[in-house]
Amino acid sequence: DAKTTQPNSMESNEEEPVHLPCNHSTISGTDYIHWYRQLPSQGPEYVIHGLTSNVNNRMASLAIAEDRKSSTLILHRATLRDAAVYYCILHPYNTDKLIFGTGTRLQVFP
Amino acid sequence: EPEVTQTPSHQVTQMGQEVILRCVPISNHLYFYWYRQILGQKVEFLVSFYNNEISEKSEIFDDQFSVERPDGSNFTLKIRSTKLEDSAMYFCASKLAGNPFYEQYFGPGTRLTVT
Repeated sequence: DAKTTQPNSMESNEEEPVHLPCNHSTISGTDYIHWYRQLPSQGPEYVIHGLTSNVNNRMASLAIAEDRKSSTLILHRATLRDAAVYYCILHPYNTDKLIFGTGTRLQVFP
Repeated sequence: EPEVTQTPSHQVTQMGQEVILRCVPISNHLYFYWYRQILGQKVEFLVSFYNNEISEKSEIFDDQFSVERPDGSNFTLKIRSTKLEDSAMYFCASKLAGNPFYEQYFGPGTRLTVT
């Protein structure tokens, strides 16, 4: 399984943008980059995913490096509700399981 | 917005007993999953299920575990003879279609405590 590397923790102030990095240097050409988050005492929640191009949705933006060896999840204005563990996951085409790492624990301060 | 539901929210059982964890996936989804998370540890994949059969399973999913879709709405995980180390949060998930373009929707989890 291709591996991702994320910082253990990050901090932000409310209403500031947050950039959560992820390195995935062994990514293969057909791996999708998925981001999920897990709020305290809840199940994982889908955030966004992409293959090659940058993506935007109502929750976040995903910036993918041109060589695809890294990506950045961008929360444009962090809220207290965004405090969670964020997981960057590579999703190969030939499997359906999600392999969760330890993720980045995001703390948001008022 | 449609959601995955799980029952019970908390199950306490004695070692050696059988437990069945229940999930109702999103109604038009075709792919179903179970994951578990031991307290303080990573979320771990257990099994995926499609077209009434297991499509993939992890090393954790041994003969003590089984899954079933007994009717058109429920998806169950059975642990035949629980061990202390089975204590964890169990999450059910479902997905519309199989390729990685689609996201998995997770339920709120069932906390299983084995005493």
